[in-house]
Amino acid sequence: GENVEQHPSTLSVQEGDSAVIKCTYSDSASNYFPWYKQELGKRPQLIIDIRSNVGEKKDQRIAVTLNKTAKHFSLHITETQPEDSAVYFCAAGDGNNRLAFGKGNQVVVIP
Amino acid sequence: ETGVTQTPRHLVMGMTNKKSLKCEQHLGHNAMYWYKQSAKKPLELMFVYNFKEQTENNSVPSRFSPECPNSSHLFLHLHTLQPEDSALYLCASSQKASGMDEQFFGPGTRLTVL
Repeated sequence: GENVEQHPSTLSVQEGDSAVIKCTYSDSASNYFPWYKQELGKRPQLIIDIRSNVGEKKDQRIAVTLNKTAKHFSLHITETQPEDSAVYFCAAGDGNNRLAFGKGNQVVVIP
Repeated sequence: ETGVTQTPRHLVMGMTNKKSLKCEQHLGHNAMYWYKQSAKKPLELMFVYNFKEQTENNSVPSRFSPECPNSSHLFLHLHTLQPEDSALYLCASSQKASGMDEQFFGPGTRLTVL
């Protein structure tokens, strides 16, 4: 089955700087790649997703890039703010009923 | 509350108890999921229901028993659990169970097994 790895496990950034989280996946059949944000004590919520027919997608300060050849995709957060502090989960889906999630990255934005 | 709701939010039970977790979605979705979230681990998919039919049982021990009476409601019946089953149990729903649709999560039930 699909195996999704996230790096780094913890990332600390100064407020205003950029944060980048990278995920790798194993199944070349995967073609849907969402990112979820989970704030402390709250539910995971989708923040951005990308499908394999595009290489990059942007939504305000958040962007996701996909490299299907290398089987990795990354989340980019620019001009980080304290409210960006959370755990971020990536996932990969191949259309067979399930999403495989990574372990999550703890992002800490230092004011 | 709109979206996906779960009750109870917190549950403490002994190993010999029987309890049930409830999930309800108000989004008109056709697929519902149970996940287990433990610290430092990926979200673990437990069960998938699509149009009330179970389509996935991810090698979950029989002490966890799901029930899906309709597309809006999902239960997880618990009996003779072990301390290592303590975790946050998240319910989610999506338009269909393709693995290609946004999943909407509930707030979770924090389960502690003594």
